[in-house]
Order: sequence, then structure tokens, then C-alpha cells
Amino acid sequence: EVQLVESGGGLVQPGRSLKLSCVASGFTFSNYGMNWIRQAPGKGLEWVAYISSGSSYIYYAETVKGRFTISRDNAKNTLYLQMTSLRSEDTALYYCARKECFDYWGQGVMVTVSS
Amino acid sequence: DIVMTQAPLSVSVTPGESASISCRSSKSLLHSNGITYVYWYLQKPGKSPQLLIYRMSNLASGVPDRFSGSGSETDFTLKISRVEAEDVGIYYCGQLLENPYTFGAGTKLELK
Repeated sequence: EVQLVESGGGLVQPGRSLKLSCVASGFTFSNYGMNWIRQAPGKGLEWVAYISSGSSYIYYAETVKGRFTISRDNAKNTLYLQMTSLRSEDTALYYCARKECFDYWGQGVMVTVSS
Repeated sequence: DIVMTQAPLSVSVTPGESASISCRSSKSLLHSNGITYVYWYLQKPGKSPQLLIYRMSNLASGVPDRFSGSGSETDFTLKISRVEAEDVGIYYCGQLLENPYTFGAGTKLELK
């Protein structure tokens, strides 16, 4: 069974940093591209970043480019999102999702940016 | 960025009846490889989104065949036949043709 479990969220002050993790199981993690997608409270879905299976290709939404860094450790079956210079508008539920088609999603981890 | 426009924003359906949701893209989603990169997702209340339809008309694994997707290069439709209580939630279309990947605003399906 494919499972994606996010962690690392919480309450953080504007301008600070936070690192999210997503641990994958039930499939060969190193074979798949992965994404981060977020959902602000009561809002729709916003794709944030993508990383290919071998980390050769990385893409970001303009809203996070230069502040967020997506990475992965295939030996640990783990996807990361390093978030810096956080803003109130980054407040959202952050999901990791598998493949370029988002065929599996984690349960999400909440990030709240507030003073 | 490619803009995805969904209609209606909400729909109320009698169980057993059909429902259709429309999605329009600001640019053709037909790739030169012949694949149309529009996808449909359902977010049930309090749950993570789940993939329903990929590449415009292909049913994702485990999705009931009451769901179907169709369309052209820029206009797409998700049809749900014989709506059931478990179909309640917010439906999103998304384009995965090019970065940044973008989604429609969502269509909330409720039961009458």
C-alpha cells in the first residue's frame, strides 16, 4: 500500500524557516518524481514544487522560488521542503504527492506563519 | 500561467441522478504526443485529494466507472452517473502540461 506521511509543520514567525519531510512507503521511491502542493485554509490547491526521481529536474511555483528548496534522499525514502523567509501567505496545509500526475497524496501537514 | 476555469462552483444533485462539471483552460492542453494533460481530483470532506481521471479520459485505479472524463483541447467535462453519497466533496480539474501546474477553483458537489 502506497503511503506518504508528512511531518515538520507548526507555528512559525514571519521571516523564519521550517523544513517539512515526507516519508514514503509501499513503492520504490527512487523511481518516482515527487511534488509539494499546498492548500490555504478554505482555499483551493496550489502546486508548489516538483523534483524528478534522481533530482535532475526541479521546478518551483513563482510564489516560492528563491525561498523554498525541494530535495530528496532516496536512501531514506524521504522528500523534503526547506522553507525560508516565510510569509503569512505561506500559511497552508502542505501535501506531498507522487508522480507528475499526483496519483497519491499524503494526509498533509499544517504550516502557520504568524507573529 | 495556464488558467483553469471551472463551472459551476457548486452543484446540488439528487442521489441516483447525473452531474456534470466543466473546466476550461486558457491554452490548449493537447501535447504534440497526442495526450491531453487534464486531470480531475476529488477532495472529500476532511480528506486529501484523490486522483479520479488522468489524461482527460482515463479512470484512475479503484475509481468507479460512474466517473468519466471527456473534452477537447481546451474544454473538458467530468461526468458522474448515478451520484452516490460518497461522491460528495470538491472536484478540481488540473493541468499538468507545463509548469507551473495549475488547478481550477473547485466545484462543490452536494446532495439534495
